[in-house]
Amino acid sequence: EADIYQTPRYLVIGTGKKITLECSQTMGHDKMYWYQQDPGMELHLIHYSYGVNSTEKGDLSSESTVSRIRTEHFPLTLESARPSHTSQYLCASSGTTGGLDTQYFGPGTRLTVL
Amino acid sequence: GQSLEQPSEVTAVEGAIVQINCTYQTSGFYGLSWYQQHDGGAPTFLSYNALDGLEETGRFSSFLSRSDSYGYLLLQELQMKDSASYFCAVRDTGGFKTIFGAGTRLFVKA
Repeated sequence: EADIYQTPRYLVIGTGKKITLECSQTMGHDKMYWYQQDPGMELHLIHYSYGVNSTEKGDLSSESTVSRIRTEHFPLTLESARPSHTSQYLCASSGTTGGLDTQYFGPGTRLTVL
Repeated sequence: GQSLEQPSEVTAVEGAIVQINCTYQTSGFYGLSWYQQHDGGAPTFLSYNALDGLEETGRFSSFLSRSDSYGYLLLQELQMKDSASYFCAVRDTGGFKTIFGAGTRLFVKA
């Protein structure tokens, strides 16, 4: 059973606010990811991490930052939220077993910026 | 560039069989995966092919042909609960990132 958690599940905030989306996993996975997904659309990778103190930007230009101080924790921060940031944010982690690298997704945070 | 192509939408009737195709063009290849996502939910892993051939998991099967850069997901005995989006995904060079297709929305009708 995958154990990956995201908080908050829903967030409505005003423009210009700083927010942090939390993501934690208890599977000991080295790799973690943040995706942005609009309803019915594809997943866009915005950040990923190979392990502690390693972070990389993904394919989608983002005004967010991430940190990876502990293996289990991978928070995403928006310094100044804008209406264009309204979307669903999915966190995932993966471990490789026998060549199979399965991504386990959290339930997502649905963000609305007014 | 790196890309995965899959149909945007497929409609089928309950009890039928449906095939969702995926062609990929990536700089590296470490296997083709399939994920299912219901509306409002998170993607969940369905299957993985690293080698050519067919992998079967219950009503779902997945096929890979590396020489053709092509794979498909086969869903048998369709049920209403199979209505969802299905994403194919490829691990890129180095295996650190997974590249997802745009997703195929499957509608199952009674």
